[in-house]
Amino acid sequence: KAGVTQTPRYLIKTRGQQVTLSCSPISGHRSVSWYQQTPGQGLQFLFEYFSETQRNKGNFPGRFSGRQFSNSRSEMNVSTLELGDSALYLCASSLVGGARTDTQYFGPGTRLTVL
Amino acid sequence: DAKTTQPPSMDCAEGRAANLPCNHSTISGNEYVYWYRQIHSQGPQYIIHGLKNNETNEMASLIITEDRKSSTLILPHATLRDTAVYYCIASTSGNTGKLIFGQGTTLQVKP
Repeated sequence: KAGVTQTPRYLIKTRGQQVTLSCSPISGHRSVSWYQQTPGQGLQFLFEYFSETQRNKGNFPGRFSGRQFSNSRSEMNVSTLELGDSALYLCASSLVGGARTDTQYFGPGTRLTVL
Repeated sequence: DAKTTQPPSMDCAEGRAANLPCNHSTISGNEYVYWYRQIHSQGPQYIIHGLKNNETNEMASLIITEDRKSSTLILPHATLRDTAVYYCIASTSGNTGKLIFGQGTTLQVKP
């Protein structure tokens, strides 16, 4: 079974632009979570989607948003990019997102550089 | 989710067992202990998880103390490819889709 895929793998943008990142979960998985990883803050939870609905959100500004489609694929968008948004963006999928032991499996990440 | 505490770094000789400790003294009864590792900015890789019984899979063993306040991840025969940052997480992530990562332990396997 194919793992979690993320596109693009690398991205360079300039301040003020916006960016959209894509995540395809493992087949059959319905929950997708997004994380940001930076050297200073480590891995931080952005938000989680299940059945096209955002169920949980981390402590990030409204410039960070996401959505999930009926096939469980998810996108996240960052508007008005800032230098501090340079990071590795990771998505993880899990089967149903409602059981206590629902293991998350991560994709390879998208490396975003903001100039 | 309960806070976990891990040593920042550890060394292990290639071929020997690597024992990575984790303290989670405030863990609640419905929180599982998960272990992930991350190799050089790749996506975190799931290793193993458990509630209160010891667990073993093809990658590692997880030993959880009887009071559940601490656990140890054991890599039985460490190789150079096991060099990575190892994260211990106490979570009921299935209910929220959220894992809280600490700083983890950087394991360096040396020849």
